[in-house]
Amino acid sequence: AQSVTQLGSHVSVSEGALVLLRCNYSSSVPPYLFWYVQYPNQGLQLLLKYTTGATLVKGINGFEAEFKKSETSFHLTKPSAHMSDAAEYFCAVSHYGGSQGNLIFGKGTKLSVKP
Amino acid sequence: DGGITQSPKYLFRKEGQNVTLSCEQNLNHDAMYWYRQDPGQGLRLIYYSQIVNDFQKGDIAEGYSVSREKKESFPLTVTSAQKNPTAFYLCASSTRNSNQPQHFGDGTRLSIL
Repeated sequence: AQSVTQLGSHVSVSEGALVLLRCNYSSSVPPYLFWYVQYPNQGLQLLLKYTTGATLVKGINGFEAEFKKSETSFHLTKPSAHMSDAAEYFCAVSHYGGSQGNLIFGKGTKLSVKP
Repeated sequence: DGGITQSPKYLFRKEGQNVTLSCEQNLNHDAMYWYRQDPGQGLRLIYYSQIVNDFQKGDIAEGYSVSREKKESFPLTVTSAQKNPTAFYLCASSTRNSNQPQHFGDGTRLSIL
């Protein structure tokens, strides 16, 4: 069975500092990996996805993530945090031929950005 | 613009009442999903449908019902059997390819009167 673990339910950074949100997955087959962002009282918006090919994936709003198979990780980073990055972030996994709603979500990490 | 529309944005339920949350998509997606979101618990799958006239229970289907009579529509009914319905409900849709992302609506917040 697949699963996703997001380390740290809350992360706080200063404006301009590096953002690092951690995601580890468990999957017995090659995974497809996604990061979503959720602003208060809104739905989830796709930031980026990894399916095949280049392991460093660039997304919207200056975010990127690197798929590391040996570490079963897909951590999300941004070099310099902005106040507008304050939101909740969700990592999700699926795989080729997957069903059961096709995405397994982590419990989310709430990012706070201090001025 | 293609997207997913959920209505209403806010909904209040009285004791013993059934309420229905609407979800409509114009993305021509085959698959649709309902999630419940509670603080600190992430997203939990209630029901999903991969094709018209067919749907499957997710992890927390008790107290909920759905229908899928049209490709574009996947309404969720929160029945009186759901004793703790206060939550944020999210509808999503996707193609049936598991390497494609789900697209989400803006949610409905359900509260008890």
